Amino acid sequence: QVQLVESGGGVVQPGRSLRLSCAASGFTFSSFSMHWVRQAPGKGLEWVALTSYDGSTEYYADSVKGRFTISRDNSKNTLYLHMNSLRPEDTAVYYCARDRGYSYAHNLDYWGQGALVTVSS
Amino acid sequence: IQMTQSPSSLSASVGDRVTITCRASQNISIYLNWYQQRPGKAPKLLIYAASSLQSGVPSRFSGSGSETDFTLSISSLQPEDFATYYCQQSYGTPYTFGQGTKLETK
Repeated sequence: QVQLVESGGGVVQPGRSLRLSCAASGFTFSSFSMHWVRQAPGKGLEWVALTSYDGSTEYYADSVKGRFTISRDNSKNTLYLHMNSLRPEDTAVYYCARDRGYSYAHNLDYWGQGALVTVSS
Repeated sequence: IQMTQSPSSLSASVGDRVTITCRASQNISIYLNWYQQRPGKAPKLLIYAASSLQSGVPSRFSGSGSETDFTLSISSLQPEDFATYYCQQSYGTPYTFGQGTKLETK
């Protein structure tokens, strides 16, 4: 069955960096675009970033552009989110999610359990 | 693209029919998806492409609409349906979500 498992969350000081990982299994990872979505405590969902199936194309929310980088290693079935210059407002649960593709209106059909990132001094 | 959901919260009882609306700031065709999120859990896809029911989702959930106006309906509320619901446009990046509608027990 499809599984997405995030790791790498934790407490980090403002201005520091952190890398999240999302290990995928149960499907052909290299065939699907992947997303990161976050949710600040008590708040709604915020889309963060998207990478195409082969990693050749990336898109970012304005709130993270220039600070965050999405990447993937298809040989390891793993998605990453490299977060630099972290701010307190980046505190959130970060979810990775699979994009089902154009024919399905790019819905996010599978999600990980989430990784909590807390930015605090 | 801005997505505006209404209402922000809704009180209802088991067996009620409820409708949540989502409005896009521009034409997004049918690139509209609905998700359910229970506390402490990851979102779950309910409806994609405005009106297609995701596999395994009960048929009491339905979606409609196109261009800028969309609705999610639940025909007969069950206890497990009390959760927060989000719409999301996937017409173009950034793939914005609505602010959410919290469905609570009356």
